[in-house]
Amino acid sequence: DTGVSQNPRHKITKRGQNVTFRCDPISEHNRLYWYRQTLGQGPEFLTYFQNEAQLEKSRLLSDRFSAERPKGSFSTLEIQRTEQGDSAMYLCASTQAAAYEQYFGPGTRLTVT
Amino acid sequence: DQQVKQNSPSLSVQEGRISILNCDYTNSMFDYFLWYKKYPAEGPTFLISISSIKDKNEDGRFTVFLNKSAKHLSLHIVPSQPGDSAVYFCAASYGNNRLAFGKGNQVVVIP
Repeated sequence: DTGVSQNPRHKITKRGQNVTFRCDPISEHNRLYWYRQTLGQGPEFLTYFQNEAQLEKSRLLSDRFSAERPKGSFSTLEIQRTEQGDSAMYLCASTQAAAYEQYFGPGTRLTVT
Repeated sequence: DQQVKQNSPSLSVQEGRISILNCDYTNSMFDYFLWYKKYPAEGPTFLISISSIKDKNEDGRFTVFLNKSAKHLSLHIVPSQPGDSAVYFCAASYGNNRLAFGKGNQVVVIP
């Protein structure tokens, strides 16, 4: 297994456009997490799934954000009507349900102009 | 509010010497602590962890110490190597769910 992968690695979009990111977790991991990281900060939790169920959402996840994990494998994170404040690195991580250690992908860097 | 705090944002150390990174937390419910290392343009890489029921965990050149009464943990890297130059994040979890991260420490190891 090559680890957690994320696509695209970079995305530049204009304010008001919709964007979608994809995360493919490590295959045997049933938990998948999304985090956001801005300059000078550590990653901040957005949401997580156990299998296909979305179990928790942060208050950072406004109604413009939606995440899915339809078959309990890959996940998508969509941002509608992007704003300049959405510019950040979006990180995906996966783990087994009983484990604490989360394994991160390389991230998708979003720039909203 | 910042539940995990890393002060001294940057550290420079000579190759072969010890690097010590510190982390303080405020939430007494945290039951597991982790350190991640991050290179530019990459995601964080898991380094070492410790359960709240222990006070020390060692893995090769890396040792993490936990002082629960002080709500403080530290990461020791001995000896430091140039490849250790990166940003190090302290993270904490409760109920093996979300991770709360500090802001990170930049470490520069000087050859």
